[in-house]
Amino acid sequence: DSGVTQTPKHLITATGQRVTLRCSPRSGDLSVYWYQQSLDQGLQFLIQYYNGEERAKGNILERFSAQQFPDLHSELNLSSLELGDSALYFCASSLGPPDEQFFGPGTRLTVL
Amino acid sequence: AQSVSQHNHHVILSEAASLELGCNYSYGGTVNLFWYVQYPGQHLQLLLKYFSGDPLVKGIKGFEAEFIKSKFSFNLRKPSVQWSDTAEYFCASRNSGNTPLVFGKGTRLSVIA
Repeated sequence: DSGVTQTPKHLITATGQRVTLRCSPRSGDLSVYWYQQSLDQGLQFLIQYYNGEERAKGNILERFSAQQFPDLHSELNLSSLELGDSALYFCASSLGPPDEQFFGPGTRLTVL
Repeated sequence: AQSVSQHNHHVILSEAASLELGCNYSYGGTVNLFWYVQYPGQHLQLLLKYFSGDPLVKGIKGFEAEFIKSKFSFNLRKPSVQWSDTAEYFCASRNSGNTPLVFGKGTRLSVIA
C-alpha cells in the first residue's frame, strides 16, 4: 500500500457524460500528479499540482480539468467523454516536485 | 521533447534465468531515471532510481540497473528471476528538478516454471 488512495476503483459511463475522479495523497505530500494509462498510448502525464497550484501540464485534453483543494486532495474532471477516454487513471503524490512519486491503485474508466 | 524507449514489449523467461530489460532515454542534460514495476492488478511501485553518483544502482527484490551516459541507457537486470517477478516493468526519466516523469511503454515479463 503506497498511502495514496483513489476513488472510485471502477467507473462505467456513457459517451458525452462527465465524471470526477478523486485522489488523496500520502500524508505530508504536497505534490499530486495525474497520469493516464491506455493500451495504445502507454502511461502519459496529464497534470501536476503543488500545494494547491498547478505546476506542470502534459497531454491533458481541454475537456479534462483538475484541481487540488486546501486539504491537498485532488480531483480530475473528465467531461464530454468519448470512447477513447477509456483508460486507467493514476494519481501519484510526492513530498515535493523533485522527490520520488508514490502511485495510487488507479481508477479504471470505461466509456460505453 | 523527452522520450523513453523500452525495446522489448513482452519477455518470457524460465525461473532462474537472468533478466535484462532495455531502456533508452532521449534527454541529453542532467537526468533522473527510474524503474517502476506493476504487478497484476496493483499500483506502480518504485524498484530503483538514479539521481547521481555510482552508475550501478541497487533496488529492491534483487534488481539493479546501470546508467551508461554515453549510450543514454538505463537497463534493468536481475541475475535470477522468480515466478513472482511476473509483472509489467516501466522505465521513466525526467530532467532533474521539477519536471514530470516520462514513461516508456512498458515491458511485460512472464516467468514460467
